[in-house]
Amino acid sequence: LAKTTQPISMDSYEGQEVNITCSHNNIATNDYITWYQQFPSQGPRFIIQGYKTKVTNEVASLFIPADRKSSTLSLPRVSLSDTAVYYCLVDDKVFNAGNMLTFGGGTRLMVKP
Amino acid sequence: DSGVTQTPKHLITATGQRVTLRCSPRSGDLSVYWYQQSLDQGLQFLIQYYNGEERAKGNILERFSAQQFPDLHSELNLSSLELGDSALYFCASSVNSLAGPGELFFGEGSRLTVL
Repeated sequence: LAKTTQPISMDSYEGQEVNITCSHNNIATNDYITWYQQFPSQGPRFIIQGYKTKVTNEVASLFIPADRKSSTLSLPRVSLSDTAVYYCLVDDKVFNAGNMLTFGGGTRLMVKP
Repeated sequence: DSGVTQTPKHLITATGQRVTLRCSPRSGDLSVYWYQQSLDQGLQFLIQYYNGEERAKGNILERFSAQQFPDLHSELNLSSLELGDSALYFCASSVNSLAGPGELFFGEGSRLTVL
C-alpha cells in the first residue's frame, strides 16, 4: 500500500493559484491517485482522480509526472471558501478486492483575503 | 448531499457503554467504509465491507465491530467505550466495478462524545 506524504499546511491569498504536492514513492502500477477536500465537521469530498499525465475538471487540475512518484493538485484562483484540508491518497481499487483507502495527514490550506 | 445517510448525527454517552452507528450507502453502492476522525486528526480507516462481506480491515479496536446487512446498510458497534473513543465517525460508500476505481461518497458523520 503506497504511503503518501504532503505538506502539513499552506497559506495563500484569494485569487492566487495553489499547488499542493503529494509524494508517493512506492506507488504501484495499478494505483490511481485521488484527491479529496474536507471542511470542518464534514465528510471529505472527491475533487479529482488520475493515473498519469494531466487531468482537469471544473474545479482543479492534477499533474502526474512520468515516474508517478508524486502528484500535484492545482487549484486555480482560490477563494476564501477553498480553505479546507486536502488529502491525497493512492488506491488500486481492484474489483472485488479489499481497499484500505488510507488517508494521510492532509494539507491544511488557509486562504486569506 | 452525497446520498450516504448516517444516524445518529450526535451521540453523547458514558464510559463503559455501547453504541451503534448506522450507515445507509448510496443506492447501488456495494462497498461501505468506516473511518474515525478524532479532533484535529486525520481520517483513520477502520473497516470495509463489500456486498455483505468484510474486505479490508484497518487498525480497528477489538471493542469495535461492524457488519453489512443484505440490504447493504451497515452498522458500526462500539463497546466498552472510553474517553478516547470520542470522535467523528464517517461512513463512505463506493461502487467497485471493472470500470476502475471510483470515488468515495461520505456521509455527514456521527459525532460521538464519551463522558
